[in-house]
Amino acid sequence: DSGVTQTPKHLITATGQRVTLRCSPRSGDLSVYWYQQSLDQGLQFLIQYYNGEERAKGNILERFSAQQFPDLHSELNLSSLELGDSALYFCASSGSNEKLFFGSGTQLSVL
Amino acid sequence: GQNIDQPTEMTATEGAIVQINCTYQTSGFNGLFWYQQHAGEAPTFLSYNVLDGLEEKGRFSSFLSRSKGYSYLLLKELQMKDSASYLCAVRHAGNMLTFGGGTRLMVKP
Repeated sequence: DSGVTQTPKHLITATGQRVTLRCSPRSGDLSVYWYQQSLDQGLQFLIQYYNGEERAKGNILERFSAQQFPDLHSELNLSSLELGDSALYFCASSGSNEKLFFGSGTQLSVL
Repeated sequence: GQNIDQPTEMTATEGAIVQINCTYQTSGFNGLFWYQQHAGEAPTFLSYNVLDGLEEKGRFSSFLSRSKGYSYLLLKELQMKDSASYLCAVRHAGNMLTFGGGTRLMVKP
């Protein structure tokens, strides 16, 4: 158990819908990262937050947004969903040693 | 931009040694990580190199040459449970961690 909690584990929705993925980092970790992993693809960096502030942005679509709350949990919002958004979404957190610990992921299926 | 290359697939025999290479081109290099990922599961940390040289941790070792933009992960005494994807990731400017496409290792009896 990495200590990073992601909910829900599975999500099935339809095109055009909006979903929210939730992540609770390890106790004491200030940084939260979001990654997308499509079938047989590598991990694609989406966005990073540090102590509530956006720190780095990757190839995140404009339809996607994220935030980190004062209690350090983070949410990733995906809107106007398309079939191609179906993927495994991972959250990771890190502390001062910068080693990333990953949650078990949310499997999103857009039908 | 960042470019990280590693072989797509490798096959090895149980009990043998396998070396998985990773080459990278990046700005502001600040460390290289190796992660193991079993299908459908979360990546788990294996090793971290920020200085040149070899880091050994049990059956797994990782090597880094910053001047060559090159790293490898060495797995000894392979076990069937080592069948997984191995991800090379580089931390670079802006504190971002970029992953390579991963190397799918199949260990055969």
